[in-house]
Amino acid sequence: DGGITQSPKYLFRKEGQNVTLSCEQNLNHDAMYWYRQDPGQGLRLIYYSQIVNDFQKGDIAEGYSVSREKKESFPLTVTSAQKNPTAFYLCASSLGQGFNEQYFGPGTRLTVT
Amino acid sequence: AQSVTQLGSHVSVSEGALVLLRCNYSSSVPPYLFWYVQYPNQGLQLLLKYTTGATLVKGINGFEAEFKKSETSFHLTKPSAHMSDAAEYFCAVNESGGSNYKLTFGKGTLLTVNP
Repeated sequence: DGGITQSPKYLFRKEGQNVTLSCEQNLNHDAMYWYRQDPGQGLRLIYYSQIVNDFQKGDIAEGYSVSREKKESFPLTVTSAQKNPTAFYLCASSLGQGFNEQYFGPGTRLTVT
Repeated sequence: AQSVTQLGSHVSVSEGALVLLRCNYSSSVPPYLFWYVQYPNQGLQLLLKYTTGATLVKGINGFEAEFKKSETSFHLTKPSAHMSDAAEYFCAVNESGGSNYKLTFGKGTLLTVNP
């Protein structure tokens, strides 16, 4: 089955530690995205990538980093510089030509204490 | 700049009643418009989308939405609510043009369905 995989579903870290969230897709989509979701805030774009080896900052990129070495993978690192990292993180992908809807993974809930 | 406003962070209806979730957008060019649904602790699922053509769009699970340019609205409706419709719903917009892949999301509307 084609889709987007995010792992793990739940992640716990101590303050001051970097943590990497995994996102893999087998939809052959060119574009991939990372969103952060907080209660009552909707979804906010962290980073997006339209092609391999290229990515752009979204609206709230500070304290986060990404890489796009393979078409299928777009990992997100939450660094210790992110002041409030506890949130639900969603990865998405879309076809790259023209504009198409985004397909979402199941999300990772990160808790930092 | 584009933005999305969802009126009502929480809507409660009785089972069998009409569902109406409101979405207004601001965009300087004709937009692409989307409605997504999210069940607790899950990702978002596309309900329906408007790009061009017919302004009344039908989606999954009996939902539909109408693009009204004069009102800059894209409200989501369903004639008869079912218990399984209880979820959070997000409206999203993208300005057409091709090179910009970004979606701007509203803050969401939580739908409660009462028996």
